[in-house]
Amino acid sequence: QVQLTESGPGLVHPSETLSLTCTVSGFSLTGYSVYWVRQPSGKGLEWMGRMRYNGDTSYNSALKSRLSISRDTSKNQVFLKMNSLQTDDTGTYYCTRDPEDGGYWGQGVMVTVSS
Amino acid sequence: DTVLTQSPALAVSPGERVTISCRASESVSTLMHWYQQKPGQQPKLLIYLASNLESGVPARFSGSGSGTDFTLTIDPVEADDTATYYCQQSWNDPPTFGGGTKLELK
Repeated sequence: QVQLTESGPGLVHPSETLSLTCTVSGFSLTGYSVYWVRQPSGKGLEWMGRMRYNGDTSYNSALKSRLSISRDTSKNQVFLKMNSLQTDDTGTYYCTRDPEDGGYWGQGVMVTVSS
Repeated sequence: DTVLTQSPALAVSPGERVTISCRASESVSTLMHWYQQKPGQQPKLLIYLASNLESGVPARFSGSGSGTDFTLTIDPVEADDTATYYCQQSWNDPPTFGGGTKLELK
């Protein structure tokens, strides 16, 4: 069955780079796009960026200068890297598929930015 | 970016009918989707493409609308429906989410 699983460090220091991995199963990254979405604690959802099925990427304009999304199709993994982290980047980070392709979300990974 | 506006909160009694609205700052055709999120959980897709019920979601949930005005209806509301509901559009790039509507039961 379709699964997405996020992994990465729970704690990142201010000004450092966040690296997260979304490992998928039950589908091919060359057939489906994967989004990254984040949610600050107690707040709403923010779309961050997308790895399309064809390898193209698109980003939230507010994050574009700090954000990079890539993939390794042989490992069924999508990667998120975001630099210059600040305390307001604290929250839960999710990977998900396009809603038109089924409402599949990972469990999310909590990231705290703190010194 | 397309701004999606939702009312912040609603309170209803079990058994009633509730409508949650989402207004887009520009047309999103019918590429509007609705999610339910309970505390500590990931969002759950309820409705995709404005009016299509996701598999496994109770028929008490329905969606309607096109262009800029969309509605999620729950009829009848049950105690377990206490949650925050988000709309999301995927017609214009980048995709955007509404601010969420917190549904409380009286």
